[in-house]
Amino acid sequence: DTAVSQTPKYLVTQMGNDKSIKCEQNLGHDTMYWYKQDSKKFLKIMFSYNNKELIINETVPNRFSPKSPDKAHLNLHINSLELGDSAVYFCASSQTNTGRSETQYFGPGTRLLVL
Amino acid sequence: GNSVTQMEGPVTLSEEAFLTINCTYTATGYPSLFWYVQYPGEGLQLLLKATKADDKGSNKGFEATYRKETTSFHLEKGSVQVSDSAVYFCALRPTGGGNKLTFGTGTQLKVEL
Repeated sequence: DTAVSQTPKYLVTQMGNDKSIKCEQNLGHDTMYWYKQDSKKFLKIMFSYNNKELIINETVPNRFSPKSPDKAHLNLHINSLELGDSAVYFCASSQTNTGRSETQYFGPGTRLLVL
Repeated sequence: GNSVTQMEGPVTLSEEAFLTINCTYTATGYPSLFWYVQYPGEGLQLLLKATKADDKGSNKGFEATYRKETTSFHLEKGSVQVSDSAVYFCALRPTGGGNKLTFGTGTQLKVEL
């Protein structure tokens, strides 16, 4: 069974549309994350939730809205998509958000292309 | 603020060559340090980690030593294989609350026969 799964794997859409990406983890972890990886492979955290509570919210346009219905799921909704939103979005999870050596487990990524 | 600097790639090596990928960091206190690997078309996987000065992380023949005096965490492997071709990311987790990882820009490794 996949530990951290994301859907869809690929997403091609037009500028101005609204889209969602879903993430689920079956590891029993308390903490989940969204990262954005740009075309140069640079990886930057966007959000983190611990037990459904938002704990990290980086400088991200408010067109991006994460939602955590339960601690096993963290979805990302994007309004009014722009060309610059094209990237690979990775979901990740960790047991907690406090351990010094916490390993984060990454999903396979969602490749978003905005035309 | 916290930052991680990695050597630019791509790094191209022949099979069985020695690998070093340099990583230096800027952070206050005593961060934890990590190397993650991303194989083509996949998400990141933890390769190794170290949480305090002079700790050595190792896995699958890769090693990295946490050097506080030089603020470095260089990745090494004695003999690379074609299957090691991937992008390698150095990352730090600062001391204090939260589990926010700061990543370097990644170094692509290509190993040829």
